[in-house]
Amino acid sequence: QKEVEQNSGPLSVPEGAIASLNCTYSDRGSQSFFWYRQYSGKSPELIMSIYSNGDKEDGRFTAQLNKASQYVSLLIRDSQPSDSATYLCAVNLEGGYNKLIFGAGTRLAVHP
Amino acid sequence: SAVISQKPSRDICQRGTSLTIQCQVDSQVTMMFWYRQQPGQSLTLIATANQGSEATYESGFVIDKFPISRPNLTFSTLTVSNMSPEDSSIYLCSVEPRRGDGYTFGSGTRLTVV
Repeated sequence: QKEVEQNSGPLSVPEGAIASLNCTYSDRGSQSFFWYRQYSGKSPELIMSIYSNGDKEDGRFTAQLNKASQYVSLLIRDSQPSDSATYLCAVNLEGGYNKLIFGAGTRLAVHP
Repeated sequence: SAVISQKPSRDICQRGTSLTIQCQVDSQVTMMFWYRQQPGQSLTLIATANQGSEATYESGFVIDKFPISRPNLTFSTLTVSNMSPEDSSIYLCSVEPRRGDGYTFGSGTRLTVV
């Protein structure tokens, strides 16, 4: 069973704080990892991808990957109310597969 | 990234009927993916559609219930057959424009079965 696990939240942070979202995955052969943001009633929007161990920064977003621990995280600095959404972690299974498996998502609420 | 046009955006259907959802991509892609998102849930992959071959279905999904067509590299349809209220969900198509770059999603079809 290929699994991607996230805390469902809600994660509540004050405006301007750092929001930390976490994800673990079970398939040790996974090679590609993605974070999607989904506003209520909308389709998922890709915000970050990461493929190598370490950190990847893009604006206020930083993705962190640790393949040994099968752990990927997303940090959002200077959180804004507009960041309030559900964040979905997705893992691309390799080895003949080419499909994304999604976690259940973490709901983030940024309050003024 | 690719632009996907998905329609209809929403529909209310009677139980026992079928609905066909269409996705048109603005570029050629090898594979198209169909997902379901039940209320308050995450995305579950239904099937992968390759042009020129039968779709590959995930566990729990069968071709008789969710037939898929993929007539060319820019278009696919998903049919939800013999619908029941349990089929009420959002259905999304997605593509991976370039391998490893992540998926782009259509705007989704919100289906309500009454």
